[in-house]
Formats: sequence, structure tokens, C-alpha cells
Amino acid sequence: EAQVTQNPRYLITVTGKKLTVTCSQNMNHEYMSWYRQDPGLGLRQIYYSMNVEVTDKGDVPEGYKVSRKEKRNFPLILESPSPNQTSLYFCASSPRGRNTQYFGPGTRLTVL
Amino acid sequence: DAKTTQPNSMESNEEEPVHLPCNHSTISGTDYIHWYRQLPSQGPEYVIHGLTSNVNNRMASLAIAEDRKSSTLILHRATLRDAAVYYCILLNFGNEKLTFGTGTRLTIIP
Repeated sequence: EAQVTQNPRYLITVTGKKLTVTCSQNMNHEYMSWYRQDPGLGLRQIYYSMNVEVTDKGDVPEGYKVSRKEKRNFPLILESPSPNQTSLYFCASSPRGRNTQYFGPGTRLTVL
Repeated sequence: DAKTTQPNSMESNEEEPVHLPCNHSTISGTDYIHWYRQLPSQGPEYVIHGLTSNVNNRMASLAIAEDRKSSTLILHRATLRDAAVYYCILLNFGNEKLTFGTGTRLTIIP
């Protein structure tokens, strides 16, 4: 089944403890992206990647890192999480030029 | 990016058609009109997109005004499973970035 998977789905952590949220897609898509969703602010893009080893900042990249070493994986790294990064995170992928993005199920992160 | 304007919320009766409007008066000639929806506790889901002509797929139809300054997403026979937030998004060809607004929260009344 074609899908985007994220792990973990739920995470509660404390300020400053490094964490990684994984994202994987099995559709051989070139483009991958991370969004965060907050009440009243909608979905905002954090980082995106046009292909392997090519990443760029979205609208709200501060406090996040990403890497794209393989086509299928696009992990989101929080080196020193803070409470303002408490949010619902979505990973998405799409084939280049198709403009149809497939979203993962979301990761709910709470930073205490 | 060109902006879209949608009503905050709409209600519709089950098994009736639903017309969700979207205004995009500053649309450029190369902007595609995309619709996504987000069901409760799920990630956004692609619904349909178009450029100039009306489009149909298994989920919905998209009617685009002749001047392209507005469009309407049509659900032909709403079910309870169609209750979601619907987002109208303009996307320039070759640009993958989706800019989500607040969307329209659709409530289906049984």
C-alpha cells in the first residue's frame, strides 16, 4: 500500500532532550516536506526537500533540522526542544511536477 | 503567494450536494487551484485540482469561473464521512509548497 509513515505517533518529552521524528514513504517520491499544525495558525511548512541531499527552509525552520540521505526517508530533528515546539507534525511527499501531496498520519509532540 | 478566501464554516444535510466556494481574485495565469481536506485526527488529503477547465474525479468536482477568480468544490452527495476542513490552495506550476489557510469546516447533518 502506498503510504507515508511517521514515528512516533505520540511523544511527550522534556525541554532540551534531543529527539527525532522519522518519516518514510514507499512511493519513490522526490519531494518531501514537514509541516506543523497549531490551533488558529493552520499548517505551516518547516522544511522541504526536492530530492536526495537537497533540503531547504520553509516558513518556520527555527529550532529544527532535517536530512535527506535516502529518497524514502526525511527525518525531522529537534536538537533542543522547547515548549513552543509542542504541536502536531505532518510529513508529506509528492512526485516532482505532480503537485499532489500525500500526508502522513501525524505526530503529536508535547514538550514539557 | 496569491491568497484564497473561504467561509469559515458550512453545514449540509446528508445525501445532498455541497458547494464549497473559494475566492482567489489575485490568481496568476500559472496558478493551479488545489483542494485538500483534513478529516478529524488525520493528515490532509488531496481532493482535486484544476487550471482552467472544470474537473471531475471520484471524490468531487471542481468548477472554475471563467475569469478564474473563484472556484467551487462540489461534493455530489455528502456523507457523514465528508465532514472535514476543506482547504482551497493556489499552487504555481513547479512549486510544491502548499500554503494552507484556515479552510472551511464542513458539518454534515444526518
